[in-house]
Amino acid sequence: AQSVTQLDSQVPVFEEAPVELRCNYSSSVSVYLFWYVQYPNQGLQLLLKYLSGSTLVESINGFEAEFNKSQTSFHLRKPSVHISDTAEYFCAVGDNNAGNMLTFGGGTRLMVKP
Amino acid sequence: KAGVTQTPRYLIKTRGQQVTLSCSPISGHRSVSWYQQTPGQGLQFLFEYFSETQRNKGNFPGRFSGRQFSNSRSEMNVSTLELGDSALYLCASSLGRAGPQFFGPGTRLTVL
Repeated sequence: AQSVTQLDSQVPVFEEAPVELRCNYSSSVSVYLFWYVQYPNQGLQLLLKYLSGSTLVESINGFEAEFNKSQTSFHLRKPSVHISDTAEYFCAVGDNNAGNMLTFGGGTRLMVKP
Repeated sequence: KAGVTQTPRYLIKTRGQQVTLSCSPISGHRSVSWYQQTPGQGLQFLFEYFSETQRNKGNFPGRFSGRQFSNSRSEMNVSTLELGDSALYLCASSLGRAGPQFFGPGTRLTVL
């Protein structure tokens, strides 16, 4: 069975500082990965995805993540955060042979301070 | 395109009752998955339906069931509710297999 570890449950950071949210997964089979963001009292919004191809994926709002197969990691980074980035971030892994069943990490609460 | 919609948004039930939650996927999406989100257990996969067939099932008791209709809309049912079933239930839709999943706003179920 898959498992996903988000090493930090909370990450406090000052506005305009860089941030990295870490995600490691257990499976060595063919996987696809997502980062989702959840604002209070809302559902999950897809932030970015890795399905295949280039290992560096980017979102439209400045986040990027790099798929590292040898380290089984998919860390999320942003060079300069904004107050509006305050939210909970979830890393999710799927198995290409198991349809749309996602395994989620425990989440990282990003708290951006002015 | 309209996003994934879920009804109702909030629900309060008492122990022993049953509940049905509804999910309408994005137009054209044939896969619907359900997840339970709780503070203690996080996000856990319940089941996935594709073209009216259950394709995957998570590790939940048989009290949790679901179905999908020919128009891809899906319902999940929880019978004999327990206090521990209090959670945010999220529905997600996807075009096909192993692709991005788009989530609805969720139904917050409170069991008293």
